[in-house]
Amino acid sequence: ETGVTQTPRHLVMGMTNKKSLKCEQHLGHNAMYWYKQSAKKPLELMFVYSLEERVENNSVPSRFSPECPNSSHLFLHLHTLQPEDSALYLCASSQKPGGTGELFFGEGSRLTVL
Amino acid sequence: AQSVTQLGSHVSVSEGALVLLRCNYSSSVPPYLFWYVQYPNQGLQLLLKYTSAATLVKGINDFEAEFKKSETSFHLTKPSAHMSDAAEYFCAVSLGNTGFQKLVFGTGTRLLVSP
Repeated sequence: ETGVTQTPRHLVMGMTNKKSLKCEQHLGHNAMYWYKQSAKKPLELMFVYSLEERVENNSVPSRFSPECPNSSHLFLHLHTLQPEDSALYLCASSQKPGGTGELFFGEGSRLTVL
Repeated sequence: AQSVTQLGSHVSVSEGALVLLRCNYSSSVPPYLFWYVQYPNQGLQLLLKYTSAATLVKGINDFEAEFKKSETSFHLTKPSAHMSDAAEYFCAVSLGNTGFQKLVFGTGTRLLVSP
């Protein structure tokens, strides 16, 4: 398998549920990202893991919790979400340091919060 | 800090017509520039990128873009639109892979192609 793979592709959850999104990259990259894509809004960078360091967007609520156990895997743990968290969550990877900053994206996980 | 502006949230063309999607950037140093395409219910796919090697960049599916420093632009064109080109297109700018430098995306332009 090649590229960036995200599972599940679709997820429906209630506000009291706990679920996780998974991302795996097979490109040998060492940086991974979570983006949120909501209708009619710009792509929002949520978290970056690079060389075992984490950078986060301070506006992301604590009900989103990332985990990066190694350079190939990235999780986004979800708990007590709100309906406004419904969106497409995109995982991406890149190579750091060096390069142009190009990102390689997965196909996304479509989340619906009821 | 760098930024990107995409003019027009929607662009409509007829099949066979010229496609022009506009992107202007702001950057204090020479940037890297990208165009990504997103088909419905899919992730973003790289169309082409400018990395200072040549100002006219050719990408997949006959798309191309020209870097114009004097105009701070990186507009995307295609000579003849196909129905399959209907998608959302994102312009992005990067200062390269230093530290946590990241891609900054525009708000996207939805391309509609009519028969």
